[in-house]
Amino acid sequence: GAGVSQSPSNKVTEKGKDVELRCDPISGHTALYWYRQSLGQGLEFLIYFQGNSAPDKSGLPSDRFSAERTGGSVSTLTIQRTQQEDSAVYLCASSSPTGGAGTQYFGPGTRLLVL
Amino acid sequence: AQSVSQHNHHVILSEAASLELGCNYSYGGTVNLFWYVQYPGQHLQLLLKYFSGDPLVKGIKGFEAEFIKSKFSFNLRKPSVQWSDTAEYFCAVDAGNNRKLIWGLGTSLAVNP
Repeated sequence: GAGVSQSPSNKVTEKGKDVELRCDPISGHTALYWYRQSLGQGLEFLIYFQGNSAPDKSGLPSDRFSAERTGGSVSTLTIQRTQQEDSAVYLCASSSPTGGAGTQYFGPGTRLLVL
Repeated sequence: AQSVSQHNHHVILSEAASLELGCNYSYGGTVNLFWYVQYPGQHLQLLLKYFSGDPLVKGIKGFEAEFIKSKFSFNLRKPSVQWSDTAEYFCAVDAGNNRKLIWGLGTSLAVNP
């Protein structure tokens, strides 16, 4: 079956512009995660959705970052008024109800460059 | 705060050499432990995991890891590496809340042919 997909694969934007990043999880996966991976750094947790529960937003670095998940499936991560330090690879992952939190399936990521 | 430490940031080996990558975590309760791998140009993928039972777990491509509870460690090993093992390796811990993983900073492994 299809894996996690993300779009766009690359995004170049100007400082101050808003960007939207999309994630399509694996069908049937109830949990969805967003991470940020900067050069030479590990994965930075951003936000976590689990079913219909309120999302865990504890990793969002500022109020310029927001995410939503419509219909328990597709998710969009929005970064408003982008800054150069937002440049990174944004990864999405999903996991199934029976797989536990750890067996996460990752998408290819969106590489964001803010000029 | 819970954390995961990977002691080796960059490792360079020749083919057939043995590999051990260190991973330590800070959490006193029940943990689930993972190693993920990211090959050049590919997605992050699960290499192996420990939930319970035998503390020596085997994963794909000949990798194994041993959970030593008393040392809060989950080191990754492979007896004989290949050039195709060149990748970034990440250790991660699910510290009891079964919701989100805490990640190490990763170890970059380069295997010379």
